[in-house]
Amino acid sequence: ETGVTQTPRHLVMGMTNKKSLKCEQHLGHNAMYWYKQSAKKPLELMFVYNFKEQTENNSVPSRFSPECPNSSHLFLHLHTLQPEDSALYLCASSQVFRGKAGNTIYFGEGSWLTVV
Amino acid sequence: QKEVEQDPGPLSVPEGAIVSLNCTYSNSAFQYFMWYRQYSRKGPELLMYTYSSGNKEDGRFTAQVDKSSKYISLFIRDSQPSDSATYLCAVTSRGEYNFNKFYFGSGTKLNVKP
Repeated sequence: ETGVTQTPRHLVMGMTNKKSLKCEQHLGHNAMYWYKQSAKKPLELMFVYNFKEQTENNSVPSRFSPECPNSSHLFLHLHTLQPEDSALYLCASSQVFRGKAGNTIYFGEGSWLTVV
Repeated sequence: QKEVEQDPGPLSVPEGAIVSLNCTYSNSAFQYFMWYRQYSRKGPELLMYTYSSGNKEDGRFTAQVDKSSKYISLFIRDSQPSDSATYLCAVTSRGEYNFNKFYFGSGTKLNVKP
């Protein structure tokens, strides 16, 4: 597999459910991201991980819980979500080189989440 | 002020037309500029990436950066119905300022009519 892969592609969950989104990057990058994309809104950065360490939490509600066990894998654990959390959740990766941020970012296909 | 501004469109053109998509950005520290294409219900796909000012061409696509006016453009020649998608611009800097921050425009929806 190449690039950034996300599973599942589609998820429907109730407000009391617990589910997880999974992301794996095959690009050898060391920074990974979660973005949220809602209808007719720009991309919203949620979390950033550099070398497995979380470096950014963009005031995301605690019902979203990220996990980054290594530089290639990223999870987003979901619990007690609200209908307004329905959106496309995008994982992305980039390369940090010699302490400087990457100059491009690559996205997965996204996970379409519907909260009912 | 937003870091990147982009006209959301929609932009509708006939097949074969030249398309011009544009963004403006606010901070002269940005050095790297990207264009993404996003089809409906899919993730953004990196189309073009440029560094600093100037033009970069790839097939029917040309990316242009004018740092003096903080203006970036994507031109599509001989547009095809398969080019119908939302196009997002993005900017970043590699320094310590805004480390690992990529700023995206809101996207311009393009429709190429057969």
